[in-house]
Amino acid sequence: DAGVIQSPRHEVTEMGQEVTLRCKPISGHNSLFWYRQTMMRGLELLIYFNNNVPIDDSGMPEDRFSAKMPNASFSTLKIQPSEPRDSAVYFCASSLSAVSYEQYFGPGTRLTVT
Amino acid sequence: LAKTTQPISMDSYEGQEVNITCSHNNIATNDYITWYQQFPSQGPRFIIQGYKTKVTNEVASLFIPADRKSSTLSLPRVSLSDTAVYYCLVGGSYNAGNMLTFGGGTRLMVKP
Repeated sequence: DAGVIQSPRHEVTEMGQEVTLRCKPISGHNSLFWYRQTMMRGLELLIYFNNNVPIDDSGMPEDRFSAKMPNASFSTLKIQPSEPRDSAVYFCASSLSAVSYEQYFGPGTRLTVT
Repeated sequence: LAKTTQPISMDSYEGQEVNITCSHNNIATNDYITWYQQFPSQGPRFIIQGYKTKVTNEVASLFIPADRKSSTLSLPRVSLSDTAVYYCLVGGSYNAGNMLTFGGGTRLMVKP
């Protein structure tokens, strides 16, 4: 298996633009997680899905952030409009189930908003 | 949600055994203890998980005393490639959301 796949790996955009991050979880995994990592705040859970259904989105910072999982093999995290403070590395992770502690992380997307 | 406390950083030398201790005084009965490792520019990687006593795998050992208020990750004979940040997480089995709080972690520096 190729592991969790994220695209793009790097994204540079201007303030106010829409940004869409993509994730393909490991086949057969039923849970998917989106995290954000910065030097100041560390690694934060934004939202997670179980069987394609959003379970907990309390970590989503603002209404500018939205996430979808239209099927078991694809998820997106969208920021609209983007702001410089959204600059961070965004990780997607998947696990066999929501009660499995072994999460598999993707390589991350480094987002820079100027 | 159980809070964890671990040292900010540690230094070691190649070939030594490294022990990183995590405090979790308000751990709940259903909570498990999980450790992750993160290398620069990569996502965290699961290392080991336990509930009580001792767990060992090919990478590390996890020691948990009877009161479960702390745990120690033990890395035998570290090498330069073990330089990374190590995170301790505590959470319940009935809802993965309970344990998805990564603290600051312990930054381990292995020197030659």
